[in-house]
Amino acid sequence: DAGVTQSPTHLIKTRGQQVTLRCSPISGHKSVSWYQQVLGQGPQFIFQYYEKEERGRGNFPDRFSARQFPNYSSELNVNALLLGDSALYLCASSSLAITSNEQFFGPGTRLTVL
Amino acid sequence: SQQGEEDPQALSIQEGENATMNCSYKTSINNLQWYRQNSGRGLVHLILIRSNEREKHSGRLRVTLDTSKKSSSLLITASRAADTASYFCATAGLDSNYQLIWGAGTKLIIKP
Repeated sequence: DAGVTQSPTHLIKTRGQQVTLRCSPISGHKSVSWYQQVLGQGPQFIFQYYEKEERGRGNFPDRFSARQFPNYSSELNVNALLLGDSALYLCASSSLAITSNEQFFGPGTRLTVL
Repeated sequence: SQQGEEDPQALSIQEGENATMNCSYKTSINNLQWYRQNSGRGLVHLILIRSNEREKHSGRLRVTLDTSKKSSSLLITASRAADTASYFCATAGLDSNYQLIWGAGTKLIIKP
């Protein structure tokens, strides 16, 4: 079975632009979470979606938004990009909404904002 | 802000030796999870220990949890070059069922 997939792998944008990142969870998983990982730090929670509903949101500005589709894939949108948005964006899927079980991570999308 | 703090930040040992990493956290938890990350790519789940468990084993991995001290340790025995990676602890809090709070990680280097 395919694991969690993310696209694109790498992305270069300039300040003020908008970006959309995509994630496909493991088949059968209904929960998708998004994390931002700045170089040298641990991941920071951005969003969690379960059954197409937002279940949790981290401490990120409204420039960050996400959605989950009927096939449980998800998109993360970031508007008005800042230099500080440069990071590895990780998507994780799990079978349950709650964090009582392990998360399966994709390879990430590395975003560079110039 | 990050809940967990790993110690040490970096660890370099010879192949075959044991590696111990520690994680401290601040609030009460439902469970604590350890993950491995190679070269800034995706994270791989290693082991999950629940708040009512004190020790758990998986292959060459041993995890302990001390909820009174709000700390956990990850022991990798008989290390191999392939264990070179960053190791993160992540906590699932009692108040929030939907997010994991992560530490900054320990960078482990296994020298051949």
